[in-house]
Amino acid sequence: AQSVTQLDSHVSVSEGTPVLLRCNYSSSYSPSLFWYVQHPNKGLQLLLKYTSAATLVKGINGFEAEFKKSETSFHLTKPSAHMSDAAEYFCVVSDRSGGSNYKLTFGKGTLLTVNP
Amino acid sequence: ETGVTQTPRHLVMGMTNKKSLKCEQHLGHNAMYWYKQSAKKPLELMFVYSLEERVENNSVPSRFSPECPNSSHLFLHLHTLQPEDSALYLCASSQASTSEDEQFFGPGTRLTVL
Repeated sequence: AQSVTQLDSHVSVSEGTPVLLRCNYSSSYSPSLFWYVQHPNKGLQLLLKYTSAATLVKGINGFEAEFKKSETSFHLTKPSAHMSDAAEYFCVVSDRSGGSNYKLTFGKGTLLTVNP
Repeated sequence: ETGVTQTPRHLVMGMTNKKSLKCEQHLGHNAMYWYKQSAKKPLELMFVYSLEERVENNSVPSRFSPECPNSSHLFLHLHTLQPEDSALYLCASSQASTSEDEQFFGPGTRLTVL
């Protein structure tokens, strides 16, 4: 069985300061990992994904994440927060879980607040 | 825009009503999904359709009935719902349910059951 733990339900940063959103996962197989962002009243949008290639993954809007197998982590970072980054962020793990279809398991989400 | 549209965006219904949610994808994908997003809970997968056949039903109550008439359209028929069914219902699509491709999400339907 697979699971995802987002360690912070709410993160607050000042504009221009670094962002760190933490995610740990467990998976019985070699997983794929994703970060999605959800702005208010919008659907989820993919930020970036890891699928067993480079462990440092760059995404849209200046975000990146590093896959660390030894720590079972996939933390999301950005060097400098912008007001438009305020949203909810979801860490997601995908594996076959013994079946033929890929199944996504979502974390509970981290709400990012950016203060002026 | 992600290429996935959902209607209506907001729906208020009584427990005895029957309504339907609609999802349409313009991406040429072969797999479509329904998710339920409740406050303070992880996104819950409800149904998966691949090539218009249902491949997963995640123990969803029978008061939710999905329909996939073709690869571009997905419906969720609702009847005799309960107040705890109030949530944001998200539709998504991907190239295939057997690939690692990302899922593209619609904006959701905010459902309130009175």
